[in-house]
Parts: sequence; C-alpha cells; structure tokens
Amino acid sequence: GAGVSQSPSNKVTEKGKDVELRCDPISGHTALYWYRQSLGQGLEFLIYFQGNSAPDKSGLPSDRFSAERTGGSVSTLTIQRTQQEDSAVYLCASSLGTPNQPQHFGDGTRLSIL
Amino acid sequence: GDSVTQMEGPVTLSEEAFLTINCTYTATGYPSLFWYVQYPGEGLQLLLKATKADDKGSNKGFEATYRKETTSFHLEKGSVQVSDSAVYFCALWGLTGGGNKLTFGTGTQLKVEL
Repeated sequence: GAGVSQSPSNKVTEKGKDVELRCDPISGHTALYWYRQSLGQGLEFLIYFQGNSAPDKSGLPSDRFSAERTGGSVSTLTIQRTQQEDSAVYLCASSLGTPNQPQHFGDGTRLSIL
Repeated sequence: GDSVTQMEGPVTLSEEAFLTINCTYTATGYPSLFWYVQYPGEGLQLLLKATKADDKGSNKGFEATYRKETTSFHLEKGSVQVSDSAVYFCALWGLTGGGNKLTFGTGTQLKVEL
C-alpha cells in the first residue's frame, strides 16, 4: 500500500513569498503530524491533528505558519511571507492515532528560501 | 518539558565492529521510546520501540533496552555493515504540553567503512 506522500519534494522560492506544502497520509490513519528538520538540528514538532479534535499547534514557530487538514485526510502546511530561516526539510507523518502507535513518515519537502 | 539527548556524531566504524549510540531522556510519567533511522536520500523509518521499563526493542540486529533507572535507551548492534550507514534518531512519545507528539534527539550519523 501507499505510504505517506508529500509534495512537492523540493521547493525553491524567494523571501517574502507564501508557500504551501501538501501531505497525503496513509489511508485510515487518523493522526497526522508535521515536523521540521533543519540542518544540524533534530526534528522539531510543528503541529498535530487527531481525528476531528482541535489540532495541537504548540510547535508552530510563528503566526506565519498555519496548517489545515481537510476531511480528515490531506493536510496543507502554509508558510506566509517566508524568511530564510524557514529553509528546512518539512516532514509529515501519520499514525493510527492510538497511543504509542509508530509514526510513518513521508520523504519530506526540502524548502529553500533565497 | 520532554527532551532527548543523543551522542554527537558522526560515528565512524569499520564493518563488523560493535555499535553503541547513547540516548538519554527527560520526561514526566512513563514515555514510550523509539529509535528511527534515516538512510541517505530516504525518509525516516521506525527501527524499534519500547513502551515500558525493561522492555527491549529489537529489529535488523539492533537492540535497545528501556532503562528507567538511568533514563536511557542506548542503541546497540553487535556487528555493523556498510548498509547500516544512516542517521539514527532517538525519540520519546510523551503527553506533556497537553498533546501527543514525538520529541526527537538531534540525530547521530553513523558511517560504516569496509
């Protein structure tokens, strides 16, 4: 079966532009996560969706970042007015949602801000 | 809050050498512990996990034991191969901050040479 799919795989954009990153989770997975992996740093949690519950946005670094999940499936992470420090690999993961279930990761979107 | 500390890399070993990658954690309650691996050019994959004290997770010849008394989850392999070259991330699943998320260490790069 298909794994977690992210698009685009690479995105280069100019500072100040808005970007949208897409994540298509594994079918049947109710939990969806976004992480950011910056050069030389670990993975930083951004946001978590679980079913119809309000998302956990505690990891979003600023109000320029937002995410939504439509119909409990596909999610879009939007970064407005991008800055150079936003350059990173953005990873999406999904899981069955019950505690301790392993998260399955996509290959990520490599975002480069010029 | 929760945190994970890993030994810094890169770790360079000869094939068939013994591997230990240290991981310690700080968390409230009883977190679950994971090792994820990221092979070159690929996404993160779950390697092994342990959900309670004294549990041993194992996969592909790798092992890690959940030691609550030392708050550690060190990764070991008796005989590494070139194909084990990757970045290894220790992570914990906790419930702090009002949400469910994985907290990752910064990753340890392993290079195995012939």
